[in-house]
Amino acid sequence: EVQLVESRGGVVKPGGSLTLSCAASGFSFSTYAMNWVRQVPGKGLEWVSSISSSSTYIYYADSVKGRFTVSRDNAKNSLYLQMNSLRAEDTAIYYCARDQFAMTAGYYYSGLDVWGQGTTVTVSS
Amino acid sequence: QSVLTQPSSASGTPGQRVTISCSGSTSNIGGNYVYWYRQFPGTAPRLLIYRNNQRPSGVPDRFSGSKSGTSASLAISGLRSEDEADYYCSTWDDSLTVLFGGGTKLTVL
Repeated sequence: EVQLVESRGGVVKPGGSLTLSCAASGFSFSTYAMNWVRQVPGKGLEWVSSISSSSTYIYYADSVKGRFTVSRDNAKNSLYLQMNSLRAEDTAIYYCARDQFAMTAGYYYSGLDVWGQGTTVTVSS
Repeated sequence: QSVLTQPSSASGTPGQRVTISCSGSTSNIGGNYVYWYRQFPGTAPRLLIYRNNQRPSGVPDRFSGSKSGTSASLAISGLRSEDEADYYCSTWDDSLTVLFGGGTKLTVL
């Protein structure tokens, strides 16, 4: 079964740090680009970051650029999101999601066809 | 405020055909494929339409997508109560970002 499972989120103080992980199974993780998307409960979807299959191409939303770092370990079938200098407005449900089409070179947004269950990050003092 | 503009709400009665619009610009919808997602409360989104008008396996042909210039639309025919959900359009932007529309809450009356 194709599956993405995010690590547990948590409560972090403003200015603090947290790293999310996403474990992939049931597909050839190393050939797919991966993404992080977040959603404030009751609000819309916000793209956070994309990383190509070989980590060559990495993109961030302006709202997190310079504070968040996406990475992956293809040997461990895992995706990560290191979040630093957290702000109250980073409070959201964070989803990891797979780009639909396998691509071993380059990056091309092809739609996100597999999503994790989401993990909640709360930034509060 | 999202770069991609969707109506915040839409509604229809069972059996009706409803459309949800998504408006962008030349740097996003105008030059890139459009994707549509459906999300039920408390669950992760699901890909409904890719590459403007293609349906992933398992998506009924009641769902169709189209694109013209810098706008796109999702049409749902034969509306059912289980179609009540939030719908999001999405595309790539030439500024090297993925965009989502603000979402449309569909109510089946």
